[in-house]
Amino acid sequence: QQQVKQSPQSLIVQKGGISIINCAYENTAFDYFPWYQQFPGKGPALLIAIRPDVSEKKEGRFTISFNKSAKQFSLHIMDSQPGDSATYFCAASLGSTLGRLYFGRGTQLTVWP
Amino acid sequence: DSGVTQTPKHLITATGQRVTLRCSPRSGDLSVYWYQQSLDQGLQFLIQYYNGEERAKGNILERFSAQQFPDLHSELNLSSLELGDSALYFCASSPRQGFSGNTIYFGEGSWLTVV
Repeated sequence: QQQVKQSPQSLIVQKGGISIINCAYENTAFDYFPWYQQFPGKGPALLIAIRPDVSEKKEGRFTISFNKSAKQFSLHIMDSQPGDSATYFCAASLGSTLGRLYFGRGTQLTVWP
Repeated sequence: DSGVTQTPKHLITATGQRVTLRCSPRSGDLSVYWYQQSLDQGLQFLIQYYNGEERAKGNILERFSAQQFPDLHSELNLSSLELGDSALYFCASSPRQGFSGNTIYFGEGSWLTVV
């Protein structure tokens, strides 16, 4: 059973546009929601993370929106750039067992000039 | 560069064989995690060690085992390999085993191909 469901599977966005990736989870005990970025041949790298006591977190062009009642969270990439082209994974975990991350299936983002 | 080192980067082996993947965590990190990434299952947590002791177990097959040594490096042993074990195996590390500002850093992975 997939604990975290992610959509879309792939996304093509024009340079300067907004990329939006959505995730949903079932386990209400999750209390840590990170997003990872993965380039080909590299391991996932932490991009931004949020805890459920806040509804939004922004770091530069990247924003997480969190809806606790709907058990959904999303990543918004503003002013998308070709260098943002990568695979993005949402994840969730119990804070006490941080290393056990439940990952979504990933979204392959392509930003074309 | 995350500071997590994995060897080998690529490995091709035959069914039924046994391989060992090695991981050196970031300097000072006490926790090591192993993940498997495949097209079928995505990124799946396998196992976690903290300062030499097993802390959490995920979807790890009985044919697989891991350990963390006193110098904190870790090894993932895969035996009786099957075609379906072909995947990218990631090691990750973090300073502690829980949250409190902890961050997990992933290595670049070991590509295993079973033929």
